[in-house]
Amino acid sequence: GAVVSQHPSWVICKSGTSVKIECRSLDFQATTMFWYRQFPKQSLMLMATSNEGSKATYEQGVEKDKFLINHASLTLSTLTVTSAHPEDSSFYICSASGSYSSYEQYFGPGTRLTVT
Amino acid sequence: GENVEQHPSTLSVQEGDSAVIKCTYSDSASNYFPWYKQELGKRPQLIIDIRSNVGEKKDQRIAVTLNKTAKHFSLHITETQPEDSAVYFCAASLDTGTASKLTFGTGTRLQVTL
Repeated sequence: GAVVSQHPSWVICKSGTSVKIECRSLDFQATTMFWYRQFPKQSLMLMATSNEGSKATYEQGVEKDKFLINHASLTLSTLTVTSAHPEDSSFYICSASGSYSSYEQYFGPGTRLTVT
Repeated sequence: GENVEQHPSTLSVQEGDSAVIKCTYSDSASNYFPWYKQELGKRPQLIIDIRSNVGEKKDQRIAVTLNKTAKHFSLHITETQPEDSAVYFCAASLDTGTASKLTFGTGTRLQVTL
């Protein structure tokens, strides 16, 4: 139980384009989803927290107009990287929390984004 | 906000030896402390966690200890095996009954040599 998927697993895009990453909870209702970014050999840095049906709460220093987060249902959250630049290249990981456990977060497999 | 420090950044042990990773946190209100193992390019996997009302927890070769007064907690791996090689992250959060954000440590790269 408590399975979270992400799509795509990897994506390459050109500078200036937008990329959408999906995060789905497959067997539970995710009332809260979290989006992290992880640069090589670094820790996970929380970008934003989203609750179903509400606007996302962004961490300090994260541009909300650049990283658009939508949590329209209890099983799906999306992260759109707008006008991507090479410095946005990173490993993006979502996690979900909800009906299984209020405090444990279940992580998706991650999405490797490369901006050329 | 919460700040979590983790040491060491790298750790090399021989197979069969023990490994210890230490973390300190800053927010005395934090009450949930998970440990994750992450292999290259993969998702973090929860390996053990501890709540603030418990001082120690053990699961086979893995144990975690928590000192609330000193605000530090440690991961102990005994009888290490090559498959234990990975990056380990500690984290801290305040469990309020609704989802709470995790603050991660900087990670420890553990290498178990034959």
